Amino acid sequence: QQQVKQSPQSLIVQKGGISIINCAYENTAFDYFPWYQQFPGKGPALLIAIRPDVSEKKEGRFTISFNKSAKQFSLHIMDSQPGDSATYFCAASSGGGSNYKLTFGKGTLLTVNP
Amino acid sequence: DTEVTQTPKHLVMGMTNKKSLKCEQHMGHRAMYWYKQKAKKPPELMFVYSYEKLSINESVPSRFSPECPNSSLLNLHLHALQPEDSALYLCASSRPGQGFRRFFGPGTRLTVL
Repeated sequence: QQQVKQSPQSLIVQKGGISIINCAYENTAFDYFPWYQQFPGKGPALLIAIRPDVSEKKEGRFTISFNKSAKQFSLHIMDSQPGDSATYFCAASSGGGSNYKLTFGKGTLLTVNP
Repeated sequence: DTEVTQTPKHLVMGMTNKKSLKCEQHMGHRAMYWYKQKAKKPPELMFVYSYEKLSINESVPSRFSPECPNSSLLNLHLHALQPEDSALYLCASSRPGQGFRRFFGPGTRLTVL
């Protein structure tokens, strides 16, 4: 049972364009919504994260938009660069203590053409 | 030091071999994780250690045996693996109460022949 649905599966954007990746969730108990970026041959790295009581968070060219009523959140990459080419995973966390769970979406392969 | 290190980077083993993967972090994180990642898939949780105790085992076959010798080290012992176990094995760590913020190592690329 996939609890976080991510789309699109792959995305091609021109340099300077805006990349948008969308995720939807069902479990209202999720308490954080992080995005991870993974380059080939590397482990995922936390890019940006948002709490469900915040509608938008921006860090440099990366912005998370969060719609609690629709149970959707999205990552916007402004002025996309070839160096942003990577796989992006949205995720949702829940629980506490040693049972803190992190549920990943299936991932989006972003290619930014020069 | 904000790094999780993993050794070896690559490992090729036969189905009868015994090998171990090693993970180390010096960030003072008390939660450590093993993940398995297949190509073009998200990481799949295998084990969670919290304060050096195994807290979650996601129904992983017994041919994978985790060990946490101390708060900085995590091992994954491998024995009698199958070719379908070939994958990228990732170690991660996090602070208590910040489980959403996981620091991943670069992984060990495992090939089982």
